[in-house]
Amino acid sequence: ETGVTQSPTHLIKTRGQQVTLRCSSQSGHNTVSWYQQALGQGPQFIFQYYREEENGRGNFPPRFSGLQFPNYSSELNVNALELDDSALYLCASSPAGQLTDTQYFGPGTRLTVL
Amino acid sequence: QQQVKQSPQSLIVQKGGISIINCAYENTAFDYFPWYQQFPGKGPALLIAIRPDVSEKKEGRFTISFNKSAKQFSLHIMDSQPGDSATYFCAASAQGGATNKLIFGTGTLLAVQP
Repeated sequence: ETGVTQSPTHLIKTRGQQVTLRCSSQSGHNTVSWYQQALGQGPQFIFQYYREEENGRGNFPPRFSGLQFPNYSSELNVNALELDDSALYLCASSPAGQLTDTQYFGPGTRLTVL
Repeated sequence: QQQVKQSPQSLIVQKGGISIINCAYENTAFDYFPWYQQFPGKGPALLIAIRPDVSEKKEGRFTISFNKSAKQFSLHIMDSQPGDSATYFCAASAQGGATNKLIFGTGTLLAVQP
């Protein structure tokens, strides 16, 4: 069984640019959540997707947007990058059937904004 | 009310000793309390989780103690090993809400000395 995978591993962008991060959920999981983890902090919830629909959003501006595809993979898009967007972006998937609590995290994408 | 407070910020334990990390919450709607282990450059890995209907759960060397009335829970690592050196995060979620987003503590950096 393949776990959660994310790409790319690292990314360097400049302020004002746009970025797309990708996540493949664990086999059989239909719920994907995205988190932002600043250095030395705990992960902060960005939003969640369930059956291709956004199913909850944290305290992040609209320039953070996402998609979930029919195969349950997901993208996180960030527009107009700011220096404070530099962080580890984590994707987590949850089992199919219903919203369940257990979330399994991928290795993350380290985004640096210069 | 959404916060999860974690202590200590860092912890040094001798090999073979017991590591204890504590968390407290305010939101009585929380009904799922996982602990995650994170190594540098990696995503969080689920260690063990508990629900409020039990006061203790043990898996190998890891034990969660849960005190519903005090709204506190803790992680005990028995026979701590150098390989346990990592950052540990407690978290909480409310399954009855629109989303099962995880609210994380600020993390505890554990160093187990040989």
